[in-house]
Amino acid sequence: GAVVSQHPSRVICKSGTSVKIECRSLDFQATTMFWYRQFPKQSLMLMATSNEGSKATYEQGVEKDKFLINHASLTLSTLTVTSAHPEDSSFYICSAREPGGYGYTFGSGTRLTVV
Amino acid sequence: AQKVTQAQTEISVVEKEDVTLDCVYETRDTTYYLFWYKQPPSGELVFLIRRNSFDEQNEISGRYSWNFQKSTSSFNFTITASQVVDSAVYFCALSEAGNSGYALNFGKGTSLLVTP
Repeated sequence: GAVVSQHPSRVICKSGTSVKIECRSLDFQATTMFWYRQFPKQSLMLMATSNEGSKATYEQGVEKDKFLINHASLTLSTLTVTSAHPEDSSFYICSAREPGGYGYTFGSGTRLTVV
Repeated sequence: AQKVTQAQTEISVVEKEDVTLDCVYETRDTTYYLFWYKQPPSGELVFLIRRNSFDEQNEISGRYSWNFQKSTSSFNFTITASQVVDSAVYFCALSEAGNSGYALNFGKGTSLLVTP
């Protein structure tokens, strides 16, 4: 089946630094990928939709200059949290829409802690 | 407006009890997809089922069953003879054309605790 690999699974960074999270589709080409954020005991909230070769579409309230999304190839999308602050600490999870259908494959998530 | 409502925040049952998790959705599209995911403490999402809006047939998979009723906009999930390993957060989600390229819109989740 379709597999999406997300790295790193956990990261601790200092306030003010940037962190890059990678999401790779291993055995299929993902034209569209989604990035979600989940705070403790809350639901998954869509941050942005990225399409290969074009700019990401951000949801209302998500700072595009803070959360940089790049989908330069059909198998890789990255989310960079720039100038991270403690309030950015969260669980970030990517999802790729499976080709030819309406299924979704999720990465295993990245737990970001900003200290 | 919340498009997927999971009214039960937490449910606690004793092992072997049956439990139903409720999901009510809202959409104006005629074509849409409904999903259930399980999220154990590790955080990763485990896909359970996908249903399209044209298929109202109920589904059974082992101890799991789903009841899709368009008339009430509900897609409820029942676990029969629950087990401790079923303890997790369960999310219902909706995918529709009008939402960011068919991105999933998740409910708030129901935390299920099954005790021995």
